[in-house]
Amino acid sequence: AQSVAQPEDQVNVAEGNPLTVKCTYSVSGNPYLFWYVQYPNRGLQFLLKYITGDNLVKGSYGFEAEFNKSQTSFHLKKPSALVSDSALYFCAVRVLMDSSYKLIFGSGTRLLVRP
Amino acid sequence: SQTIHQWPATLVQPVGSPLSLECTVEGTSNPNLYWYRQAAGRGLQLLFYSVGIGQISSEVPQNLSASRPQDRQFILSSKKLLLSDSGFYLCAWSELAVEQYFGPGTRLTVT
Repeated sequence: AQSVAQPEDQVNVAEGNPLTVKCTYSVSGNPYLFWYVQYPNRGLQFLLKYITGDNLVKGSYGFEAEFNKSQTSFHLKKPSALVSDSALYFCAVRVLMDSSYKLIFGSGTRLLVRP
Repeated sequence: SQTIHQWPATLVQPVGSPLSLECTVEGTSNPNLYWYRQAAGRGLQLLFYSVGIGQISSEVPQNLSASRPQDRQFILSSKKLLLSDSGFYLCAWSELAVEQYFGPGTRLTVT
């Protein structure tokens, strides 16, 4: 079955430290992978995507993600966390189902950056 | 640039009442459109998607329905709301079936 897993419900990190939010996927074929961020009572904001090319993808707000085909992972990273990065993060993968492309989302990881 | 609007932002409705949520997209043509529900601030459930006017696909059988009367308008409806319909409803659009862009959402509370 095609799926996305975010193994951590919450990640805690101190401001200024590097952060990693984990994501693994299971799809057939070459994956299209995405990261989104959601602030309270807001819609999801697109951060970055991997389709093909360099395994390290750079996105908005200083975030980047590393695609690892052998480990079927797409972890989100940032070298230096900010308190304002505290939010809910979703990983997603595009799948073809019923002749249409759809996104399957992970369950979300809450990032808490403490001052 | 493209923008997506949803209204209302919040809604409190009694059980058994009708529902109509509206989503419109500006700055693009023939987008794919999606309705999601998010419960308890976590996972997203795809409810409906549309690849064109009048073309609606349902993901989950329930008492909700969707319509796309115009190219950039997507409406979520119900004839009779249930308590379990409470949640955060998100509309999204995409071009070329790649990344999706989300609206601000509607918080629905059924009492």
